[in-house]
Amino acid sequence: GAVVSQHPSRVICKSGTSVKIECRSLDFQATTMFWYRQFPKKSLMLMATSNEGSKATYEQGVEKDKFLINHASLTLSTLTVTSAHPEDSSFYICSARPSAGGAGGNTIYFGEGSWLTVV
Amino acid sequence: GENVEQHPSTLSVQEGDSAVIKCTYSDSASNYFPWYKQELGKGPQLIIDIRSNVGEKKDQRIAVTLNKTAKHFSLHITETQPEDSAVYFCAASVTYKYIFGTGTRLKVLA
Repeated sequence: GAVVSQHPSRVICKSGTSVKIECRSLDFQATTMFWYRQFPKKSLMLMATSNEGSKATYEQGVEKDKFLINHASLTLSTLTVTSAHPEDSSFYICSARPSAGGAGGNTIYFGEGSWLTVV
Repeated sequence: GENVEQHPSTLSVQEGDSAVIKCTYSDSASNYFPWYKQELGKGPQLIIDIRSNVGEKKDQRIAVTLNKTAKHFSLHITETQPEDSAVYFCAASVTYKYIFGTGTRLKVLA
C-alpha cells in the first residue's frame, strides 16, 4: 500500500516550452502533496505544499509563476514548469500525505521522481 | 526554522560490519523523525521512523535511536550487505513539513 506514482519519469524539453509532471497517490487519498527539487548529490529541497482544492503554498525563493501547482483531486497533483530554461533541469520528486489512517499523521510517501532536462 | 545536520556525508564499511549515521535537529518541537533510503535515480523510500515519545525502534537489521534532550537521532544498520549501498536521508518534522538532512552516501564493500 501507500504507493505514489510520478509521470513522466524522464522528460526532455526545449527551452521556452512548458512541461507538466503528474503525481498520483494510487491507493490512498491525499489532501496534501508536496513537491521537492533535488540537485545531483544534494538533499531534497521543499518547493511547495499542494492542498487539494486550494492554492499551493510556496517556499521562500520558489517562483509560483514559474512552477505552477494544481491539486485538482484527492489523488492527483501536477507541477508545470513554465518557460523552462536549462537551469530548471533537475530531479523533481513529489510526496503525498494520506488524508486518513496510514502509519501516522506525519508519515508521507514519496514518488519515484521525474528527471527534467531542458535543452 | 528547523535545521537538520547529518554526518558523515560518506561512509564505507565492509560487508557484515555495522554502519551508523547521525543527525542533529534544532527545533525542539520536532516530533517525528523518518529515515529514507534513496537509490540512484529513484525517489526516497521510508525505511524506519521514530516518534518523539519513543527512544529506540528496531526493525530487523535497522534501528533508530532518539535522544530528545540532545536533539540527536541515529540510524544503525547491522550486518550490512551490498544492497544497503545507497544514499540515506534523515528528516525531522513538527507536522508534515519535513526538513531533510544533507544525506549520507553509504558504500558497503563486498
